[in-house]
Amino acid sequence: GAVVSQHPSRVICKSGTSVKIECRSLDFQATTMFWYRQFPKQSLMLMATSNEGSKATYEQGVEKDKFLINHASLTLSTLTVTSAHPEDSSFYICSAVTGSLNTEAFFGQGTRLTVV
Amino acid sequence: GIQVEQSPPDLILQEGANSTLRCNFSDSVNNLQWFHQNPWGQLINLFYIPSGTKQNGRLSATTVATERYSLLYISSSQTTDSGVYFCAVLYTGTASKLTFGTGTRLQVTL
Repeated sequence: GAVVSQHPSRVICKSGTSVKIECRSLDFQATTMFWYRQFPKQSLMLMATSNEGSKATYEQGVEKDKFLINHASLTLSTLTVTSAHPEDSSFYICSAVTGSLNTEAFFGQGTRLTVV
Repeated sequence: GIQVEQSPPDLILQEGANSTLRCNFSDSVNNLQWFHQNPWGQLINLFYIPSGTKQNGRLSATTVATERYSLLYISSSQTTDSGVYFCAVLYTGTASKLTFGTGTRLQVTL
């Protein structure tokens, strides 16, 4: 299957700082990428959908100014957690699909963010 | 939005046993996938199965789209099968997005 690479896999940051997470599709062009958040022992919750070259679509309740998403190219999307606080600590994971949304989605390895 | 429920929420099996995991969804979908989340959080693609039946080794899956459910079968379970199994569906509403089910946590013991 296709490969999606997410970096970093683990990050610890101080409260008030910003953290950027990268999601790359290595062997295919991803016109759409999704960002998810997962709390311990819970399911994955969709945060936003990003399409290359356009603004991201955020799910209800997700602060767009807190979670900045940029999908600058067909192989790279970034999620920046701005002014992070301890309650932002979570597991963040991205996925990518090719041009047709009816095709298989592939996921990155995930990023475990801890804000201290 | 669409609701995706999985059952059972938790399952404990002895090695060698068989099991069936179920995924029910509340609306028509264009895509359904099954994943295994390992202890490190990585999501492993198991099946892309919007309809019909597929098999891969000890695993097989069936989706009956008209009745809005999918089943994942695990035969001769092994301890390495432990983890959380998710189904996820893609539907076209106001915006297409992949929605995850509630998950089934599987523990396979010796």
